[in-house]
Amino acid sequence: GESVGLHLPTLSVQEGDNSIINCAYSNSASDYFIWYKQESGKGPQFIIDIRSNMDKRQGQRVTVLLNKTVKHLSLQIAATQPGDSAVYFCAETYSGGYQKVTFGIGTKLQVIP
Amino acid sequence: EPEVTQTPSHQVTQMGQEVILRCVPISNHLYFYWYRQILGQKVEFLVSFYNNEISEKSEIFDDQFSVERPDGSNFTLKIRSTKLEDSAMYFCASSDSSVGELFFGEGSRLTVL
Repeated sequence: GESVGLHLPTLSVQEGDNSIINCAYSNSASDYFIWYKQESGKGPQFIIDIRSNMDKRQGQRVTVLLNKTVKHLSLQIAATQPGDSAVYFCAETYSGGYQKVTFGIGTKLQVIP
Repeated sequence: EPEVTQTPSHQVTQMGQEVILRCVPISNHLYFYWYRQILGQKVEFLVSFYNNEISEKSEIFDDQFSVERPDGSNFTLKIRSTKLEDSAMYFCASSDSSVGELFFGEGSRLTVL
């Protein structure tokens, strides 16, 4: 059948504001979660990861929150910059899964200067 | 900074033709992967490769697909008889452990006519 492109959720944020991107994951067995950033025409780029024994992890300007009870991940970007404009994917995998990473559908972040 | 490189950046082929996509993973990495992304859709896992054999593969990775590490630096994906639905961006990735950061290449766009 013909492939139909997904309509990506879009988040528009004013430059300097904080961004929150949410994701629901599906596999209860997943114990390792990653956020990737994909700029147009490029491959996914690792941003931050978190293992299931944690509920929060902070990086430089980014924070990932994990709620295993409701299988929810979020990515918080502080002081959003124009260079943050991209599609953001959450991804899940499990130990021993040889990096069979399952990607979510992505959220397009648009930063308004 | 070390990076994963892929060639060609874009290949156009006729349906039924064989295609080989090439990747040079990061030199000290031991785990290698192929993912694909149909235009506007999710990034999908195809196959992982470690110690000269396939570790895991998805249902997409059927008998038409094969991977090989012909020498100490290259990692290839071969599609024996391309179909229209094989048109996608193919991403190679590598990592230094079975659970850890994946480093993606910029992708090879395959267009099957």
